[in-house]
Amino acid sequence: NAGVMQNPRHLVRRRGQEARLRCSPMKGHSHVYWYRQLPEEGLKFMVYLQKENIIDESGMPKERFSAEFPKEGPSILRIQQVVRGDSAAYFCASRQGGNQPQHFGDGTRLSIL
Amino acid sequence: AQTVTQSQPEMSVQEAETVTLSCTYDTSESDYYLFWYKQPPSRQMILVIRQEAYKQQNATENRFSVNFQKAAKSFSLKISDSQLGDAAMYFCAYRSEQGAQKLVFGQGTRLTINP
Repeated sequence: NAGVMQNPRHLVRRRGQEARLRCSPMKGHSHVYWYRQLPEEGLKFMVYLQKENIIDESGMPKERFSAEFPKEGPSILRIQQVVRGDSAAYFCASRQGGNQPQHFGDGTRLSIL
Repeated sequence: AQTVTQSQPEMSVQEAETVTLSCTYDTSESDYYLFWYKQPPSRQMILVIRQEAYKQQNATENRFSVNFQKAAKSFSLKISDSQLGDAAMYFCAYRSEQGAQKLVFGQGTRLTINP
């Protein structure tokens, strides 16, 4: 059973461009979380999604950030008009229903030039 | 809102010795989960151990064990017989049993193992 797959592993963008980060949850997992890790800090919750629904986006910046988890395909975290401060590692985690633990992907390291 | 505090930015230990990493948290909930995650230089997030708040017995996974003090809201991680491969950042995390079940992480402790 493959783990949580994130791609790309590294993404470089220039200021003003768009960044798209992808996350394929583990098989059978319908709950997806996105977290952001700034350098030398812990992970911070961004958004929680179930299939086709955003359940909790309390950690998402109000502008430029969006997330989706379509019926078919991976979850996408989209950052429009990136700025230097968006440079971070972005982690996706998935879980089954109930109180099952979250399993993390290897993260996407986003660098903004 | 829940908060998690790790007061030791860095710790070091001699190989084969025992080390304890501290974690405290703040919550008004009675049912929740606590976790320790390991993040090696590869940046993977690896679940080390988990504790259900309703269980009084401390969780143990091989060389890793916790000291869970619910009244004091303390959740320390003990690593016995430290190995070079234990070197990593360690994050304590809290998860509510209700709602989104999102993880709230501490700032992390960087553990160095001295050969």
